[in-house]
Amino acid sequence: DTAVSQTPKYLVTQMGNDKSIKCEQNLGHDTMYWYKQDSKKFLKIMFSYNNKELIINETVPNRFSPKSPDKAHLNLHINSLELGDSAVYFCASSRAGQPQHFGDGTRLSIL
Amino acid sequence: EDQVTQSPEALRLQEGESSSLNCSYTVSGLRGLFWYRQDPGKGPEFLFTLYSAGEEKEKERLKATLTKKESFLHITAPKPEDSATYLCAVLLYNFNKFYFGSGTKLNVKP
Repeated sequence: DTAVSQTPKYLVTQMGNDKSIKCEQNLGHDTMYWYKQDSKKFLKIMFSYNNKELIINETVPNRFSPKSPDKAHLNLHINSLELGDSAVYFCASSRAGQPQHFGDGTRLSIL
Repeated sequence: EDQVTQSPEALRLQEGESSSLNCSYTVSGLRGLFWYRQDPGKGPEFLFTLYSAGEEKEKERLKATLTKKESFLHITAPKPEDSATYLCAVLLYNFNKFYFGSGTKLNVKP
């Protein structure tokens, strides 16, 4: 049973397209996160939701829009994809103040 | 400005050659410091949490320690399967978010 699952694992698309990444956790955690990991392995927080409420919204282009239909799901929609959006996107979940559990990432490549 | 720095960026060890990885931080109001291991193509996997200076945690060949300014991850007699990128992250009281370092890529040769 996968604790935090992301789909798709790989996403290859053209510049200008719109795409979505989905995340689900079955750990009963109340907080979920989206991170972007660049080629140098640096993990940068993008968004965080607590019980479906947005609590962290870092300086991210408004082409990125998160959505949490319930506390077990957090999706990320990206409009008008650009070359610089190529990265690995990780979803994570945790209880407040506790270690995060990560999915295995979505590798986004923009052609 | 809150900052987390890991060193070295990369470390090559022979099997059995013990060493330490460093995570230094300049933050206000540390709530906890977390160590993760990341294998290629995978998400970070939680190893340890340290909450106060002087605290130590151990798991197999790994031992994590914490001072007021830095944390060390000591690896004793490493094996090739310990090869991975090790990440540290700090959680602050004021904000419910984690600041990650850029990691140390460890390569243990047989």
